[in-house]
Amino acid sequence: SAVISQKPSRDICQRGTSLTIQCQVDSQVTMMFWYRQQPGQSLTLIATANQGSEATYESGFVIDKFPISRPNLTFSTLTVSNMSPEDSSIYLCSVLRLTEAFFGQGTRLTVV
Amino acid sequence: GIQVEQSPPDLILQEGANSTLRCNFSDSVNNLQWFHQNPWGQLINLFYIPSGTKQNGRLSATTVATERYSLLYISSSQTTDSGVYFCAVRNFLRYTDKLIFGTGTRLQVFP
Repeated sequence: SAVISQKPSRDICQRGTSLTIQCQVDSQVTMMFWYRQQPGQSLTLIATANQGSEATYESGFVIDKFPISRPNLTFSTLTVSNMSPEDSSIYLCSVLRLTEAFFGQGTRLTVV
Repeated sequence: GIQVEQSPPDLILQEGANSTLRCNFSDSVNNLQWFHQNPWGQLINLFYIPSGTKQNGRLSATTVATERYSLLYISSSQTTDSGVYFCAVRNFLRYTDKLIFGTGTRLQVFP
């Protein structure tokens, strides 16, 4: 298995502000993944973060809104920028260990 | 891309009952996982099961890859089984490493 520490676990933010979510893994991984889960919905991949290169974003997600950093093989951050109430979601980071995916505890974001 | 549908969308059970959750996918896969999302939002790995059958306590899962479906069985359900169950699939030879999640089954178990 993989131990993934994600923080903050929850936050309430004002619209127009930004929040940075951190994800720390217990061992080196090539790729880290960021997902969004809107209320009552399934999980949707935002982007894949590789160390040393630009993140790859899925359709509907852009770097200006969700900038990602990947400074080393055990750490990544996702920023939700210029937030609006529609950004209220659970955000989760994920890694692959061999071929199995593991997830952090998630960040429950509420934008007011 | 791969489409993943789960049924039923909602399930209400009394404690002690058994249930079967289904996951259908539209293309061949070489990775399938079942997760339980607890009320706090945390995703818990239940099974990694691209094919065959596995059992873990009261839970078991079967994947028939050639027919593109997987089943999750919950026996003698408990209130702690409540939450949302997701299957997720991947075909890393064709669609890179992206994990595609199903629509989910929301389970409520009452005492």
